[in-house]
Formats: sequence, structure tokens, C-alpha cells
Amino acid sequence: KNEVEQSPQNLTAQEGEFITINCSYSVGISALHWLQQHPGGGIVSLFMLSSGKKKHGRLIATINIQEKHSSLHITASHPRDSAVYICAVPGGGADGLTFGKGTHLIIQP
Amino acid sequence: DVKVTQSSRYLVKRTGEKVFLECVQDMDHENMFWYRQDPGLGLRLIYFSYDVKMKEKGDIPEGYSVSREKKERFSLILESASTNQTSMYLCASSLIRGADEKLFFGSGTQLSVL
Repeated sequence: KNEVEQSPQNLTAQEGEFITINCSYSVGISALHWLQQHPGGGIVSLFMLSSGKKKHGRLIATINIQEKHSSLHITASHPRDSAVYICAVPGGGADGLTFGKGTHLIIQP
Repeated sequence: DVKVTQSSRYLVKRTGEKVFLECVQDMDHENMFWYRQDPGLGLRLIYFSYDVKMKEKGDIPEGYSVSREKKERFSLILESASTNQTSMYLCASSLIRGADEKLFFGSGTQLSVL
């Protein structure tokens, strides 16, 4: 089973700061997912990437397959970015995905 | 956009009651999933289905059953609710089977069993 570690568990930052959330996994993968969960519960898929980098607005996801590591960056952070960010990788669980425990991000105005 | 709709946002039930959680998706997805999410444990798969009338156990199926009579609807059933089933329940769907497929989630149902 793939083991997924996210760091930090909790992060509080000021509006405008550059944010980095990290995800490490133990077994080689074909694709990694980054998900966002806002207070209230609903989860949104942000990225699915298998190599290099993807960008969507102020969000950037990178992955290093050799090092088994991915990062999610938020530029010019805003209070509306406050959420739990979860990474998920194949290689565990009956449906093939193992989820990290999430990073709880708070952006203060 | 794909829409995954869960029937209830909050639900309060008593121990021993039979509980139905409904999930409907509108994009003809083959795969549907039920997860529960607990603080410190992350998302854990309860059951999934990759076709009508098909179901597969996930990592924590004990105390739960599911039903998929129509492609768009996947129901999670707690036959006799217990307090340790108090949790956030999330339904998800994806187009085809595979870990490379994007998942679409519902808004979640916060279930409290008293």
C-alpha cells in the first residue's frame, strides 16, 4: 500500500504570502491528485498530474516522480484559499487511491 | 460540469435506526464511491461500484451496505446505525475505472448518531 505524508498538517499565513504544501509517497505512481475541501465539506479536484508542473490561476502543482514528491503552491494567497488541501495517489485502497490526511490552511486578512 | 448530489447535508439519527444516504450524479459516470472522513484519519473508502448492480468492498465496509439499481444513483445503507458511524460521508464519481481518473465529489453528509 502506498503511504502518503503531507506537510505541514496546519498552516496559518497572512494574505499575500506564497504558500507551499508538500506531499510525499512511498511507491511509484502514474498520477497524483490534489484536492481542495472548503469548510462545509465539499471536495473539489484541483489537479491530476503525472509529471512536471500544472498551473491553474494562482495555483501551481509540481511533481518529481524520481523523488516521489509533489508540491502545491499558492501565489498571492487570499482568505478564500482557506481550506483543507489533500493529496491522493494510486496504490492503496480498493479503488486504487490512498489519501493524505490533509493540510489545513488558514489565510488571515 | 459534473454534478454529484447528496440528498442530505446534515442528518441526525438514533442508535439502531436504519439510515439511507443517497447520491446522484448527472454525467453518466460508471464509477461511484462512498467514503467517510474522520478527523486525523483522512478519507477512507467504504464501498464502490463500477456498474449497475455491481458493488465492491472498500477498506472499511463493516456495518454498511450499498445499492446501485440505476447508473446515476448510489445509495449507502447503515443497517443499524451505531455511534461510531458518526462521521462525514462523501460520495464521489468518475467516468471510468482507474486511478488516473478525475474524481468528482458531492458536498458531503454530516451524520450524527446519538
